[in-house]
Amino acid sequence: DTGVSQNPRHKITKRGQNVTFRCDPISEHNRLYWYRQTLGQGPEFLTYFQNEAQLEKSRLLSDRFSAERPKGSFSTLEIQRTEQGDSAMYLCASTKQENYGYTFGSGTRLTVV
Amino acid sequence: GDSVTQMEGPVTLSEEAFLTINCTYTATGYPSLFWYVQYPGEGLQLLLKATKADDKGSNKGFEATYRKETTSFHLEKGSVQVSDSAVYFCALSDPNNDYKLSFGAGTTVTVRA
Repeated sequence: DTGVSQNPRHKITKRGQNVTFRCDPISEHNRLYWYRQTLGQGPEFLTYFQNEAQLEKSRLLSDRFSAERPKGSFSTLEIQRTEQGDSAMYLCASTKQENYGYTFGSGTRLTVV
Repeated sequence: GDSVTQMEGPVTLSEEAFLTINCTYTATGYPSLFWYVQYPGEGLQLLLKATKADDKGSNKGFEATYRKETTSFHLEKGSVQVSDSAVYFCALSDPNNDYKLSFGAGTTVTVRA
């Protein structure tokens, strides 16, 4: 069990550029979640997958955001045409059982300048 | 909908002091309750959990009891250490919301030697 891995740890990008983050969950975990955390706030749900199927997207997620989980393994979160308001920590979590408690990665901190 | 309200911080304590962080919740279903801890620059770590009423979660000297009658899950530790300085998040996982985690805003705790 190597934990949930997220890459990169930090990303600085210019406004209008596209960025992509990767999450590698714990191998036997079939559920994968993306959360966004801004300074001084708790994480907010963005989207989640059961295996390769994306089950729900939050209304917080604009059309500029897209997530995939090909073959039910790693997941990517892409933000197109980044805006300064996208600056946040993006957290990935996975779980094997829904009410067991998620395992979170260390997050990707995005700064849009 | 689901929501979690926790004590506002920041909280500053001396080493060996008693710590309490209040947490109350609302949920449409019968949720599981969690406390997560976040150290500077890191992701969230599960501290403890409780899945049914009157359950007590405990870990590393921290405890919290699931109180259905008061819809509360207060975190306590009898004697804090400098290493307990972190941000603490109360969260719930509601089966009526497909077990997605809902978080409180977090409480920053600083323990001084």
